[in-house]
Amino acid sequence: IQLTQSPSLLSASVGDRVTLSCKGSQNINNYLAWYQQKLGEAPKLLIYNTNSLQTGIPSRFSGSGSGTDYTLTISSLQPEDVATYFCYQYNNGLTFGSGTKLEIK
Amino acid sequence: QVTLKESGPGILQPSQTLSLTCSFSGFSLSTYGMCVGWIRQSSGKGLEWLANIWWNDDKYYNPSLKNRLTISKDTSNNQAFLKITNMDTADTATYYCARRAPGQGYFDYWGQGVMVTVSS
Repeated sequence: IQLTQSPSLLSASVGDRVTLSCKGSQNINNYLAWYQQKLGEAPKLLIYNTNSLQTGIPSRFSGSGSGTDYTLTISSLQPEDVATYFCYQYNNGLTFGSGTKLEIK
Repeated sequence: QVTLKESGPGILQPSQTLSLTCSFSGFSLSTYGMCVGWIRQSSGKGLEWLANIWWNDDKYYNPSLKNRLTISKDTSNNQAFLKITNMDTADTATYYCARRAPGQGYFDYWGQGVMVTVSS
């Protein structure tokens, strides 16, 4: 399954509601996770199984979706959220999206 | 507390074999359901899953690289290993090991990664 993330670059202001998209080439059956990667660091698990928040992750992060279309939402963007966000599917094989780079405007 | 840390040669020449070690703590690869995987990240291909090894020694490989990869483990020393043969400049990347969440398909803990450069 191939994953397409959009946009590749997103610039938003502190406090904005931000939505990142991940589309699969086939049905993912909700076996989708989101990772945050800050510069020079390893990916960090945010969301698993489409909408389950990993322990310790702020509640401003949420996930949704079904079928082939999935979304990561940050309800109120904070300066520390500057990072690249990757989606990852584990329904059929194991594949990552190409990432969305999130910047502060 | 789960931690993982990768180690490797840093630089190697084309056609050589890459040997990577993942040293971990906070869990055991002899425990039912446990799995460690290797993922790499390059500027050209993004994040790419390479291989998984399970508590029962089952092994799974990325089909596109399968004939070059060998994953193994040393349960008594809490280590996992990855060998990649016939390295090429296109294999230059940061290599991560990660724990697969027990009974799940996603990776919940990652190492810091080790940069590997292939250059003549």
